[in-house]
Amino acid sequence: TQLLEQSPQFLSIQEGENLTVYCNSSSVFSSLQWYRQEPGEGPVLLVTVVTGGEVKKLKRLTFQFGDARKDSSLHITAAQPGDTGLYLCAPEDSAGGTSYGKLTFGQGTILTVHP
Amino acid sequence: NAGVMQNPRHLVRRRGQEARLRCSPMKGHSHVYWYRQLPEEGLKFMVYLQKENIIDESGMPKERFSAEFPKEGPSILRIQQVVRGDSAAYFCASSPAGRPYEQYFGPGTRLTVT
Repeated sequence: TQLLEQSPQFLSIQEGENLTVYCNSSSVFSSLQWYRQEPGEGPVLLVTVVTGGEVKKLKRLTFQFGDARKDSSLHITAAQPGDTGLYLCAPEDSAGGTSYGKLTFGQGTILTVHP
Repeated sequence: NAGVMQNPRHLVRRRGQEARLRCSPMKGHSHVYWYRQLPEEGLKFMVYLQKENIIDESGMPKERFSAEFPKEGPSILRIQQVVRGDSAAYFCASSPAGRPYEQYFGPGTRLTVT
């Protein structure tokens, strides 16, 4: 079982600021997913990264996968109140190198963007 | 394209009763996963199913819990003789063939055991 750490646990910022949240582990991931979850709802898939060093952009969100595939970051530019939510990273547990979709979720970063 | 559907959204059961949670995957998806989110805890994997097969149930409690994904109809997570500790949000996810890590979640069923 891999240890997964997300930081910071809480983040409260003003509209228009930039921010970065991190996801770290001692294990190598075969893939990693980022989700956003709002209270009372299911997680919404934002992105999947699979290649070391990969960078993906989704409007104001930039996702980076570490070269060694042990860590990832999510950067939000010019945050808006609509970005408020719980951001979860979910690497795939790929014991033995086989991909079979068992995701491990971190505790998440609770982001609050104030107008 | 309809997303993952779960019902009921809320379920209240007394201790000792049975709870049945249903999940219909996204159209075209053949893989179903169940996760549980306990209060103040993160999402924990329970079971992975394909049609008529349980692929990985390493996260399922050994007793009282079972899951199925029949050839026809939704996937069912069944909890027998519920206890207060079973109170949680139960989420179902589905993924397309060939990309099991690309999971799309339903809105969840919130189970309350009184």
